[in-house]
Amino acid sequence: LAKTTQPISMDSYEGQEVNITCSHNNIATNDYITWYQQFPSQGPRFIIQGYKTKVTNEVASLFIPADRKSSTLSLPRVSLSDTAVYYCLVGGLTGGGNKLTFGTGTQLKVEL
Amino acid sequence: GAGVSQSPRYKVTKRGQDVALRCDPISGHVSLYWYRQALGQGPEFLTYFNYEAQQDKSGLPNDRFSAERPEGSISTLTIQRTEQRDSAMYRCASSSTGGDGYTFGSGTRLTVV
Repeated sequence: LAKTTQPISMDSYEGQEVNITCSHNNIATNDYITWYQQFPSQGPRFIIQGYKTKVTNEVASLFIPADRKSSTLSLPRVSLSDTAVYYCLVGGLTGGGNKLTFGTGTQLKVEL
Repeated sequence: GAGVSQSPRYKVTKRGQDVALRCDPISGHVSLYWYRQALGQGPEFLTYFNYEAQQDKSGLPNDRFSAERPEGSISTLTIQRTEQRDSAMYRCASSSTGGDGYTFGSGTRLTVV
């Protein structure tokens, strides 16, 4: 499974856009890129998943360049409640019974 | 059910005792996964099932750990002869075939004293 590298922590202020970049140089052709969010005392929560170019949902956008060796999770206008750990994972399409390997994630802290 | 249910929520046990952790996945979800999470770390894969078949148990730390899902629904993770190093949050997740991600349960906090 491709290893991912992401910043250990990031700080932001309410109302700002936050971009978290993840490196995955060894991503395989059939790997997808998935991001999860985890609040303290809760299990990780699926945010977004993509294969290439751009994916957008009601929560976030995911930008994937053509070489797919990195990806950027974009959170528009963050609020205090977005303070959480964000995990970048690469692997098979979730739902195909493919296990996902979590790293240590990025601790995002949003302040007033 | 509406979500992934795990029980017990908290478990304190003495060293050497066996424990059984239960996971009730979302109804209809084919795949079920067990993870273990230490404080400040990401979840660590233990094992997973498609229906009742255990597909991968490469993450189980040693032979004291085992898991089953006999009818393709509820799963039990069993730890025999518990040790203090087994203390952690044990998380279960399930997924459908639709590629819409895992849904995690609230976890079982295991403390071995």
